[in-house]
Amino acid sequence: AQSVTQLDSHVSVSEGTPVLLRCNYSSSYSPSLFWYVQHPNKGLQLLLKYTSAATLVKGINGFEAEFKKSETSFHLTKPSAHMSDAAEYFCVVTSGTYKYIFGTGTRLKVLA
Amino acid sequence: GAGVSQSPSNKVTEKGKDVELRCDPISGHTALYWYRQRLGQGLEFLIYFQGNSAPDKSGLPSDRFSAERTGESVSTLTIQRTQQEDSAVYLCASSLPGQANNYGYTFGSGTRLTVV
Repeated sequence: AQSVTQLDSHVSVSEGTPVLLRCNYSSSYSPSLFWYVQHPNKGLQLLLKYTSAATLVKGINGFEAEFKKSETSFHLTKPSAHMSDAAEYFCVVTSGTYKYIFGTGTRLKVLA
Repeated sequence: GAGVSQSPSNKVTEKGKDVELRCDPISGHTALYWYRQRLGQGLEFLIYFQGNSAPDKSGLPSDRFSAERTGESVSTLTIQRTQQEDSAVYLCASSLPGQANNYGYTFGSGTRLTVV
């Protein structure tokens, strides 16, 4: 069975400071892991993905995530937050199938 | 088309009425998925189509929910006798066959359904 836990439902950061959104997963098989972002009234956009290649994955808009098997984590980071990063972020796990298991989301607020 | 298109973007309906939600996937994406996003929750899987067949309907919450797909293209999700707990954003996604695991889905913008 697979599951994913996003450890924070809300995160607030000041513009220009680092962002850390935490995600832990559980999977019986080698997982694929994704981060999606959802801006208000918009669809979900793929930020980045881990599919058993490099453990440090770079995505769009300066985001990156590191797959740590020993910690079963896939935290999303960005060195410097921008106002446009304010959105909801979803961590997703899947294990060789079409079905995605979504976390409950982390709402990121960026303060001026 | 260039992206996944869903219509309507918003729907308000009275309890007990039927509603139809439409999804137009990316051309060539034979895999199509419906998910539901209730307020404050993650997305819940509803149904998966490969071509016009639905090998996995396990997420449909009750027999009031049904979906079909024609021409390996447009899909319609129908909710009969809507209830207030059906209020949610219904998201459609598509992908190339067998590529969801490697490349991710492409999502539409969703239909926000409100049952009053």
